[in-house]
Amino acid sequence: EPEVTQTPSHQVTQMGQEVILRCVPISNHLYFYWYRQILGQKVEFLVSFYNNEISEKSEIFDDQFSVERPDGSNFTLKIRSTKLEDSAMYFCASSGGGLAGGPETQYFGPGTRLLVL
Amino acid sequence: AQTVTQSQPEMSVQEAETVTLSCTYDTSESDYYLFWYKQPPSRQMILVIRQEAYKQQNATENRFSVNFQKAAKSFSLKISDSQLGDAAMYFCAYWNTNAGKSTFGDGTTLTVKP
Repeated sequence: EPEVTQTPSHQVTQMGQEVILRCVPISNHLYFYWYRQILGQKVEFLVSFYNNEISEKSEIFDDQFSVERPDGSNFTLKIRSTKLEDSAMYFCASSGGGLAGGPETQYFGPGTRLLVL
Repeated sequence: AQTVTQSQPEMSVQEAETVTLSCTYDTSESDYYLFWYKQPPSRQMILVIRQEAYKQQNATENRFSVNFQKAAKSFSLKISDSQLGDAAMYFCAYWNTNAGKSTFGDGTTLTVKP
């Protein structure tokens, strides 16, 4: 069964450093998302991406964040200058479109646990 | 903005018994979807069940079923014949069709006692 994959599974970085989190969505999906979950808290929407552009972003997704789909398979989240409060689990998700169904049913990757020291 | 409320931070159930997890939401939209996700200790988010708002029939997936009360904006999850592997955090989520994003509740931690 197709699944969303994410790398790395864990990342430790120093405050102020740049990190890139990588995701490979399900191959025939057209909608891509990043969510984050600070330990012990709810899952929060960061950004959605469709047709090679951001379609929606939250207040959390400020200028320190960017997303990119550099090729036909990867979807990345970059944090330019990490802060302590960026420590969280980051989930990538993808959903359908066209023959793969509507965008509403999101399939999540296993997450990347980011720790900023 | 939509909000999702899970009023039970923790629930426990005896193995083989039935448990119901509560979720309410607030929206002025008519077109939306509702979901339950399971998050085991590995923290992977696993889709359990989905409900289209325009459907009156409650969704079921094997031992998992929902009680969708649209007028009351309530969406509870019933787990029948609970198994040890059902122990996890369960999140209720609302899909905003216009905005194209999900809003999650705070989660309910389910413990299954052998």
